[in-house]
Amino acid sequence: DGGITQSPKYLFRKEGQNVTLSCEQNLNHDAMYWYRQDPGQGLRLIYYSQIVNDFQKGDIAEGYSVSREKKESFPLTVTSAQKNPTAFYLCASRSLVGGYTFGSGTRLTVV
Amino acid sequence: QQQVKQSPQSLIVQKGGISIINCAYENTAFDYFPWYQQFPGKGPALLIAIRPDVSEKKEGRFTISFNKSAKQFSLHIMDSQPGDSATYFCAASGNAGNNRKLIWGLGTSLAVNP
Repeated sequence: DGGITQSPKYLFRKEGQNVTLSCEQNLNHDAMYWYRQDPGQGLRLIYYSQIVNDFQKGDIAEGYSVSREKKESFPLTVTSAQKNPTAFYLCASRSLVGGYTFGSGTRLTVV
Repeated sequence: QQQVKQSPQSLIVQKGGISIINCAYENTAFDYFPWYQQFPGKGPALLIAIRPDVSEKKEGRFTISFNKSAKQFSLHIMDSQPGDSATYFCAASGNAGNNRKLIWGLGTSLAVNP
């Protein structure tokens, strides 16, 4: 089955720690996206990549970093510079005709 | 800057009723208007989408109505069921450059009472 796999489903981060969220797709989509979702705030774009080895900042990129070394993979690192990282993180990829496919999300909690 | 405005924020409908969610956009370069459905703890899933060459698209109980001159589009859920209880997001995008990014509404939480 084609789709997007996000892991882990739940992640706990200590203060001052960097953590990396995994996103893998087997849909052969060129474009991939990372969103953050907080209650009542909809989907906010963190980073996106339209092609391998290239990515752009979204609306709330501060405290986050990404890489796109392979078409299938777009990991997101939440750095210690992100002061309020507790949220639900969603990865998506996009087909040429416009539809986004989302993963099932990673819920990150600071402990 | 919110380029896609969605209303209402929340909606309660009785089973069998019609649920209506509205969105308005600003950018006339937008040419793709999808609706996504999200259940708690899950990622959004594409429900139905429309392009501006038609004024209405229907898939089962779900219908998108599109008004290009008013720059508005809406989702109608006919014969609403408790299983439709979810958060619904509208979005819009164009087809070139930065316009290819989806711009999202803030979502509508729908509750269908049995």
